[in-house]
Amino acid sequence: GDSVTQMEGPVTLSEEAFLTINCTYTATGYPSLFWYVQYPGEGLQLLLKATKADDKGSNKGFEATYRKETTSFHLEKGSVQVSDSAVYFCALHGSGGGADGLTFGKGTHLIIQP
Amino acid sequence: DGGITQSPKYLFRKEGQNVTLSCEQNLNHDAMYWYRQDPGQGLRLIYYSQIVNDFQKGDIAEGYSVSREKKESFPLTVTSAQKNPTAFYLCASSIRVEADTQYFGPGTRLTVL
Repeated sequence: GDSVTQMEGPVTLSEEAFLTINCTYTATGYPSLFWYVQYPGEGLQLLLKATKADDKGSNKGFEATYRKETTSFHLEKGSVQVSDSAVYFCALHGSGGGADGLTFGKGTHLIIQP
Repeated sequence: DGGITQSPKYLFRKEGQNVTLSCEQNLNHDAMYWYRQDPGQGLRLIYYSQIVNDFQKGDIAEGYSVSREKKESFPLTVTSAQKNPTAFYLCASSIRVEADTQYFGPGTRLTVL
């Protein structure tokens, strides 16, 4: 079945540092890929998405590129802020269609220190 | 404002009691979902519904039940058969059955005393 693997946390960085959170996936066909962000005590917010190979999703300074050859969708940001502290989830939606759910990674807790 | 609401935000239950979590959306989405989140784990799918009066089991449906009598509502009942019900429960919706993007509510934290 489908699966998503993302780097274990917590990841602790200083403000203005460069961020990379690795995400790799296993799925048949061409899934859609997502990054969601969760702030403490809240639900998930869609951060960005990509639906086909070589697509780049971007939002709020975050970027991720759909790499079919390496089955990866790494999240990057050039200069993080304290307000970026949250849990980040990589997820995929299988290409089989239908309304089944997303497959999530376990989440990466990001801590940005001033 | 369109969105998904869940109530209550915090819920406490005694062992052996059933409890129902509310999820309402005014996005006119056809599909709705329930996920469970445990500390240090990703989200796991409990049930989903593609359309009114239809729903399907997800990966961890045992001890849960749902109904979909109205398009905008998808309540989840956590029954006494659920062995470890303490968790954070998230409801989501998507515009149609083929759509991949899901939008999430704020969640309900259930604690069994």
